[in-house]
Order: sequence, then C-alpha cells, then structure tokens
Amino acid sequence: QSVLTQPPSASGTPGQQVTMSCSGSNSNIRNNYVYWYQQFPGTAPKLLIYKNNQRPSGVPDRFSGSKSDTSASLAISGLRSEDEADYYCATWDDSLRGPVFGGGTKLTVL
Amino acid sequence: EEQLVESGGGLVQPGGSLRLTCVASGLSFSRYAVSWVRQAPGKGLEWVAVISDSGTYTDYADSVKGRFTITRDKAKNTVYLQVGSLRAEDTATYYCAKHGLPVTTDTVWLDTWGQGAQVTVSS
Repeated sequence: QSVLTQPPSASGTPGQQVTMSCSGSNSNIRNNYVYWYQQFPGTAPKLLIYKNNQRPSGVPDRFSGSKSDTSASLAISGLRSEDEADYYCATWDDSLRGPVFGGGTKLTVL
Repeated sequence: EEQLVESGGGLVQPGGSLRLTCVASGLSFSRYAVSWVRQAPGKGLEWVAVISDSGTYTDYADSVKGRFTITRDKAKNTVYLQVGSLRAEDTATYYCAKHGLPVTTDTVWLDTWGQGAQVTVSS
C-alpha cells in the first residue's frame, strides 16, 4: 500500500489529453514539492517534472504538472504512442521523514 | 555523457549479503546526495537509502534499517550499498540516483539514475 495514491491505469488515443492524479495528505503533498517520473519497461525511471510543475531540459512541453492542497496531477497533451509508459509521483513525507512514491499509473495509448 | 553505472547484483541465498556499487562517469556527484531506490518485480518504486554529499549523514527506509549500509568514496566518485541479512522480499532491481540539488538530502528530486542492478534472493 503506497502512501501516495495513483490510479493503476489510464488510457487515451493519439492527440488526446490525458491527466493522471496523485493523492496524498497533509504530511506529504500539502507542504512539499511533487515530482513525476516516467519509466519504460525494463529501463530506469526518468525525471519528468520537478518542483510541482518544472520540466527538466529535454522534456517536451506536452507534459505539465500541477498541485493543489493534498493532490497533484500530471497532464499529457497531444498524446503520442511513445508516451506509453508507467508514471510515478513522489514527494517528501514529513511524518515518515523520508521520500514516498505513488504506486504508479500505467498509461496505454490506444 | 553523464551517467551512473551500477554493478554487484546477483543471486544470493536468504540471509546472505552483497555489495552494490554505483559509479558516476561524466559527472561529479561529490556535492550531491545520492539515494538508492528499488523496484520489486512488477511493483512500484521504493526509496531505500540516502547518503549526504559529505558522507556523514545517512538514512534508511524502515524496511532495510539495520540490514543495509550506504557509504561513498568521493575520490572514486562511487557510492556503495551493502545489503545484508537478505530476505525474499528484498528481491528487486536496485537503482542509484543523484539528487537534483547540491547538498540537499530531504528531497525526491532525483535527476540522474543508473540502469539498475538486479538482486535476487532465493534458495
């Protein structure tokens, strides 16, 4: 059972916008930055979004992050087949005094 | 190219131990904390341990505390994870990851990841 809750799956068709949620609590998301990682099968995770809504160099602006209260979201616009991957949210938990990850959302591009 | 390369994984019996190594190339992470994150087969990511840039501060997930030890050798640009008293539930791919901010340990900003080292605990 992950501290952060993500829907196990999401899907969309090419060109659509898809939004994935990440639900936390007062001890984690509310007062801390949220990070998003993208992972393709058999490969290492890659930083996709940092500090709630910042994109590292090289990440397309089709990817955007947001945070409100105890939840965060990752939106992907102009969906492409190569976006099919697992997406994980992560943040710091003040009560646990450590990093926590969501269980991940598997994105399927139909 | 900046990269982290892990090694040292393998098949080990329950109760056994291994030392995982994470070497940085094309980058110096002497000013950065480094974390290990693991992923059991078909499961999500789990933070395991962190070591500060100086090596003087370390912290561990409760699930591995007392069994795993993280250290670093700045001269060799290398971080180690000694994993011991291994259990079946420690079976996972272990990734080392560099923190995205200098010095900071209390963050999940992991901007560079290694390719992973597979640890399998089985008799």
